[in-house]
Amino acid sequence: GQNIDQPTEMTATEGAIVQINCTYQTSGFNGLFWYQQHAGEAPTFLSYNVLDGLEEKGRFSSFLSRSKGYSYLLLKELQMKDSASYLCAVIKAAGNKLTFGGGTRVLVKP
Amino acid sequence: ETGVTQTPRHLVMGMTNKKSLKCEQHLGHNAMYWYKQSAKKPLELMFVYNFKEQTENNSVPSRFSPECPNSSHLFLHLHTLQPEDSALYLCASSQDWGGSVYNEQFFGPGTRLTVL
Repeated sequence: GQNIDQPTEMTATEGAIVQINCTYQTSGFNGLFWYQQHAGEAPTFLSYNVLDGLEEKGRFSSFLSRSKGYSYLLLKELQMKDSASYLCAVIKAAGNKLTFGGGTRVLVKP
Repeated sequence: ETGVTQTPRHLVMGMTNKKSLKCEQHLGHNAMYWYKQSAKKPLELMFVYNFKEQTENNSVPSRFSPECPNSSHLFLHLHTLQPEDSALYLCASSQDWGGSVYNEQFFGPGTRLTVL
């Protein structure tokens, strides 16, 4: 089976930085994804890490350590529109089957 | 807009009703998925279709019946549901399923289902 853990909720101030951690235990790991989901909307793809290290895309960065079963999503220069749920998901080697964590709801305050 | 549409966006039904959820993708993809998102539970995969053939059924009860008439359309037929089936049902699509290269999944906005 697969266990994917991430915090339930985080609060941060506009302009600040927030780091959302995700730990996983799985066999046949082939990559880790982060999705953003605003309330009542579709999840949208943010990042995909398959190798160890940091991937940067503008204000968002994602890090992966395969040996530690650990990833984080870093949101910089927070904006009010970043208030959303952030979903960590792992994919196995075969197929496109994504297994999701419970999601972290981030609330950005003025 | 992700190129994946779902109708209806909201549905309320009784336990004896029969209803269907519809998903359509305009991306030219060959794989389509149904996911269930319940309150306080992770998003979970229900079914996968690749080139109109079902490739995954994640131990879903038979009161949920999927149908994929072509690569652009996916249905989820519902009958004799239970109140615990109330959830957000999300459809997604990707270029295809399987292989060694991951294909990004694009999600629709979901259908919010309430079973009374």
